[in-house]
Amino acid sequence: EAGVVQSPRYKIIEKKQPVAFWCNPISGHNTLYWYRQNLGQGPELLIRYENEEAVDDSQLPKDRFSAERLKGVDSTLKIQPAELGDSAVYLCASSQTGTSRVQFFGPGTRLTVL
Amino acid sequence: GEDVEQSLFLSVREGDSSVINCTYTDSSSTYLYWYKQEPGAGLQLLTYIFSNMDMKQDQRLTVLLNKKDKHLSLRIADTQTGDSAIYFCAESISTSGTYKYIFGTGTRLKVLA
Repeated sequence: EAGVVQSPRYKIIEKKQPVAFWCNPISGHNTLYWYRQNLGQGPELLIRYENEEAVDDSQLPKDRFSAERLKGVDSTLKIQPAELGDSAVYLCASSQTGTSRVQFFGPGTRLTVL
Repeated sequence: GEDVEQSLFLSVREGDSSVINCTYTDSSSTYLYWYKQEPGAGLQLLTYIFSNMDMKQDQRLTVLLNKKDKHLSLRIADTQTGDSAIYFCAESISTSGTYKYIFGTGTRLKVLA
């Protein structure tokens, strides 16, 4: 069974440019998460989807970040415009509905903003 | 507030046991998890424990939960060089009909040959 797929794996952009990350969760997982992981820290949730509905986006900086999961499967996270402080690893995870809520993570996209 | 704390570093010799500790503040945790992250990779689930359990063993891994002290530990028996990685503790908290995940800052385990 394929795991969570993310692309690109690495992205280098100049500040004020837009950038987008893509995630395809494990088949059958209806919950999808986007996290940001700064160097030396644990992941911090940006947004959580249940199917196509964003049920927790309280930590998403909505002035520059947006996300979508139109058909309840794959998802895109966008930053426009990027700032120097956005340099981080962006992780996508997915889980099945159930009480244990075990999340499976993709390899992440490492973003460097110059 | 919700907070998960871990020590930053741990160094052990190959073949010894490693014990990685975690403390959390929210008593409404339902599940607690241990994840492993190798360089350039995402987080890999190692094991998890339901909050009404006090111990779980899975091959070389033993999880101990002290709910009274809000303390979670991960013991790795016969630690190998391939166990060198960052280990994250996380809790799942039920709140207002939904839930959230809180991750610790990670413990970097270095295994010396």
